[in-house]
Amino acid sequence: AQSVSQHNHHVILSEAASLELGCNYSYGGTVNLFWYVQYPGQHLQLLLKYFSGDPLVKGIKGFEAEFIKSKFSFNLRKPSVQWSDTAEYFCAVSGTSYDKVIFGPGTSLSVIP
Amino acid sequence: IAGITQAPTSQILAAGRRMTLRCTQDMRHNAMYWYRQDLGLGLRLIHYSNTAGTTGKGEVPDGYSVSRANTDDFPLTLASAVPSQTSVYFCASSSNRAGANVLTFGAGSRLTVL
Repeated sequence: AQSVSQHNHHVILSEAASLELGCNYSYGGTVNLFWYVQYPGQHLQLLLKYFSGDPLVKGIKGFEAEFIKSKFSFNLRKPSVQWSDTAEYFCAVSGTSYDKVIFGPGTSLSVIP
Repeated sequence: IAGITQAPTSQILAAGRRMTLRCTQDMRHNAMYWYRQDLGLGLRLIHYSNTAGTTGKGEVPDGYSVSRANTDDFPLTLASAVPSQTSVYFCASSSNRAGANVLTFGAGSRLTVL
């Protein structure tokens, strides 16, 4: 069965600090990988996705993630965080485009001005 | 504006009562999903439907049922609510064409079972 783990439950950073949120998944076949973000009081929205090709994918607001197949990982990075990045971040995986999407437990990011 | 509409936004319910959470999308997406969000557990898939007329069980299906009579609607029913079903429920949809399994979420329904 698919599963997703996220390394940190809660991360606190100062503005301009670099961010890396860990994500590992368990799945035996071809995967589609996602990071979603939930800003306070808002809908969940897609941050970035990996389907195939270049394992380094870039998303909105300066975020990027790297798919490392050998490590079953899809870590999220941002070189310099802003206060507005304060949100809940979810890693997700699906087997194919026709497969259900399974989410990790989420990482709460608090950025201190 | 195209998207997903969930109702009710919030509901307090006595244990043992029946409750249906409604979800409607106007994007003609063929796949729809119900998740529950709980602190520390993230989003857990309850049920899903890849196309009208079909449904499947997710990670936590017990105590919930769904139907998919048409493309647009995907109601979630709690036949006899229990306090452990207190949660925020999110409906989502996707077109799930090859390379397009990106979810669009509704605003959520906050359910409290007493």
